[in-house]
Amino acid sequence: KAGVTQTPRYLIKTRGQQVTLSCSPISGHRSVSWYQQTPGQGLQFLFEYFSETQRNKGNFPGRFSGRQFSNSRSEMNVSTLELGDSALYLCASSLIPHRPENIQYFGAGTRLSVL
Amino acid sequence: AQKVTQAQTEISVVEKEDVTLDCVYETRDTTYYLFWYKQPPSGELVFLIRRNSFDEQNEISGRYSWNFQKSTSSFNFTITASQVVDSAVYFCALSGAASGNTPLVFGKGTRLSVIA
Repeated sequence: KAGVTQTPRYLIKTRGQQVTLSCSPISGHRSVSWYQQTPGQGLQFLFEYFSETQRNKGNFPGRFSGRQFSNSRSEMNVSTLELGDSALYLCASSLIPHRPENIQYFGAGTRLSVL
Repeated sequence: AQKVTQAQTEISVVEKEDVTLDCVYETRDTTYYLFWYKQPPSGELVFLIRRNSFDEQNEISGRYSWNFQKSTSSFNFTITASQVVDSAVYFCALSGAASGNTPLVFGKGTRLSVIA
C-alpha cells in the first residue's frame, strides 16, 4: 500500500509569491492534516480536512489555506510568502478525523525556502 | 492546555550503547493517547508506538521499549544496543479526548546521533 505522497519535495520561492503544496493520502484514508515544522517552533498544526471540509484549524494567519478534493487529496496554499514561511510542510493522513486514538501517517514533506 | 516536553535536545551515543529518550506531558484530559515518531534525514515522520492513558504496561518491540508512568506524566523511550540506523530525530506527541478536535501536540524532539 502506497504511503502518503507529497509533491513537490522542494520549492524555492521569493517573498510575496504564493505557493501550492499537494498531498495524496494513503488509499482509504479520508482525513488529511497539515503541519509546519521549523527549527524554532517545532511541529505546529495547520489544519485538518475531512470530506472536503476543514474540521480543525491551528493558529496561523489567513495567508495559509487549504482544501480537500472528493478523492481525499488535499492542497495547501500560502499566499504573499514571507521569509518566516520557510519550513518543512508535512501532511498526515488517517482513517477518520479528530479522534485522539488516530494514528497519523506522515509523508516526507515539502521543504519550502522563501528568499 | 496540552504540552509535551522533551528536555533532551541532542544525545550522542556510541554504537551498542543503550539510550533513553525522555518525554514528559501535561494534560487535563483523563483519556488521552501518547505517541512516538521517528524522523530520519529523509524527513518523513515514522510512527513507532501509540499508548492510551489507561494502559500503563510497558511495551517492548525488538530493541525498542517504552515506559509509561502516569504518576510522573512520563512516556520514555529506550533503545537497547543502539545502531547507526537509529540516528534520527525522535518526537513524542499527545492527543486528548476531552478537548474535542485536539490535534497531535508534539514535543520539540530529541536528535539522536549514534556513532560507529
